[in-house]
Amino acid sequence: QQQVKQSPQSLIVQKGGISIINCAYENTAFDYFPWYQQFPGKGPALLIAIRPDVSEKKEGRFTISFNKSAKQFSLHIMDSQPGDSATYFCAASKSGGSNYKLTFGKGTLLTVNP
Amino acid sequence: GAVVSQHPSRVICKSGTSVKIECRSLDFQATTMFWYRQFPKQSLMLMATSNEGSKATYEQGVEKDKFLINHASLTLSTLTVTSAHPEDSSFYICSARGGRNTQYFGPGTRLTVL
Repeated sequence: QQQVKQSPQSLIVQKGGISIINCAYENTAFDYFPWYQQFPGKGPALLIAIRPDVSEKKEGRFTISFNKSAKQFSLHIMDSQPGDSATYFCAASKSGGSNYKLTFGKGTLLTVNP
Repeated sequence: GAVVSQHPSRVICKSGTSVKIECRSLDFQATTMFWYRQFPKQSLMLMATSNEGSKATYEQGVEKDKFLINHASLTLSTLTVTSAHPEDSSFYICSARGGRNTQYFGPGTRLTVL
């Protein structure tokens, strides 16, 4: 049972455009929702994260929107650049039990064309 | 801050030999570290959770006698792949838990078993 569903699987955006990646979760006990960026051959890097007490968090060009009632959260990349081309993973975890294990989505391959 | 290193970055070994991968948190202490495996174009698969000073907790289907994990200090966890076979070839990534739920990932280790 996949607990975090991520879409789309791949995304092509023109430079300067907005990239939007969506995730949906099932476990209402999740209380931490990070996004990771991964370049080929590298480990994932924490991009931005949100907790369910806020509906939006912005850091530079990256924004997380969170909808607790719909159990969905999304990553928006404004003014997308070719250097943003990477695989993006959403994840979720719950505090306390199971040592804060992350449950990952399947990833989105983002290509930003120049 | 929050830097995690892995060593080696790449290793090639013969079938039947054992390989040790080190994961270090460089600027913070991590009571919990995680080991993941990633196949090409796929998401991260959690193998085990490593807690300092205690036995690792393995995910279902992961052979604990094949993938030995030791978390001897608050900054070091090791994964030893014993009697490696070609099917063990993969990208192995560790992460270290910082404050609350946050996980910081290492750069990964590419294992190739001939």
